[in-house]
This record gives sequence, structure tokens and C-alpha cells, in this order.
Amino acid sequence: AQSVTQLGSHVSVSEGALVLLRCNYSSSVPPYLFWYVQYPNQGLQLLLKYTTGATLVKGINGFEAEFKKSETSFHLTKPSAHMSDAAEYFCAVSDPTREYGNKLVFGAGTILRVKS
Amino acid sequence: KAGVTQTPRYLIKTRGQQVTLSCSPISGHRSVSWYQQTPGQGLQFLFEYFSETQRNKGNFPGRFSGRQFSNSRSEMNVSTLELGDSALYLCATGRGQGTEAFFGQGTRLTVV
Repeated sequence: AQSVTQLGSHVSVSEGALVLLRCNYSSSVPPYLFWYVQYPNQGLQLLLKYTTGATLVKGINGFEAEFKKSETSFHLTKPSAHMSDAAEYFCAVSDPTREYGNKLVFGAGTILRVKS
Repeated sequence: KAGVTQTPRYLIKTRGQQVTLSCSPISGHRSVSWYQQTPGQGLQFLFEYFSETQRNKGNFPGRFSGRQFSNSRSEMNVSTLELGDSALYLCATGRGQGTEAFFGQGTRLTVV
């Protein structure tokens, strides 16, 4: 079974400040991990993914995340927040042993507010 | 390349009616999953199809059903609509094996 916990349903940062969104996961198999972003009334856009290899992964719009197996974490960071980063962010896991599918298990989401 | 296309974008239906939503995947994607998103419950998995076969189903009543066609396009149907079915319905497609899924813009269903 898999589950995802996102700490903090709302995070507020000032423009130019560090963004840190936390994600912890539970999985009975080594998972694939993802971060998605959602703007109001839109679908989800993939920010970045971890499958295998390098544990620090870089994504779009200056975001990156580090997979820490010992801490079962996959926190999302961005050095300097921009107003356009205001959105809801979802951490998700999948099971790579499942040949037929791309089912994702999502966290509850974190709404990021960027103050000017 | 073209993304995932969901139609229609918006729907208003009356309680008791039924509705069919459509999802056209990215070319080459054989996996299609459906999710329901509501403010209270977040993103909940409905079901998943691969090569026209349902591979996985979430914890939803039998009123929710789906299918996948030979061209990988998928439809989901909700019968006997209830007010609580009002939600954003999202379709995601991929290549399988847990790789990344790409989402459509969603269908916003309002039941009145």
C-alpha cells in the first residue's frame, strides 16, 4: 500500500524567499515520486519526477526536489519565489512494479501563497 | 505534440440524470486513469484502464463506470447523479509501469 503526507495545507512566503513544501511517503515497494502543480480550475502539470538514479531532481520553473530514502521524504524547493508560483502543489507516488498503469496516490495538497 | 483532451470542459446536470465524460490520450499512451477532485476529499482515484481492460478501481459506488476503446480513448459514465457528484473530473494518461502521468484540463460537473 502507498500513502503520501504533505505537511502544511497552506504555506505563505514573500516574493524572493525560499519555497519549501514538504512531502513524506509510505510505500511497500521503492516508489516513483512526483510533484504536480495545479492552477485554479485547471488540470495538473508535472513539475518534476524521481524514478531512479540521482536523488536530487530538477524540474520546470526553477523547482527541485531531493529523494531521501532514509527519511521517506521528497520535499520540493525553489530558491526564490515568484508571484506566478502561487498555486496548489501535490506530491504523488506510483508503483513501478505495476506493468499496466500509471495510478497515482496523491497527498492532500499544499496551497502556496506568495506575498509581494 | 497534442496533450490530453477532455470533453466537455463544463457540464450542468440535474439530480437523477446520467452523464458521460470523454478523454483522448496523448498519442502512444495506453494507460488512462480517472480522478475525482473535490475541496473536501481532494484527489480520489476512480479507475484505470490499459489496453481496453480495467486494471484497477477505486472505492466508488457502481454508479461510476468507465471503458476504454481500441484507440485508447476513454469514457466515464455516472448514472443517477447526486449533488455530491459535483466535482472536477480529471483524466490522466501514460505509458504504464508507474511512469509519469499527464493530465487533461478536467471536466467541471455541477449537479443541481
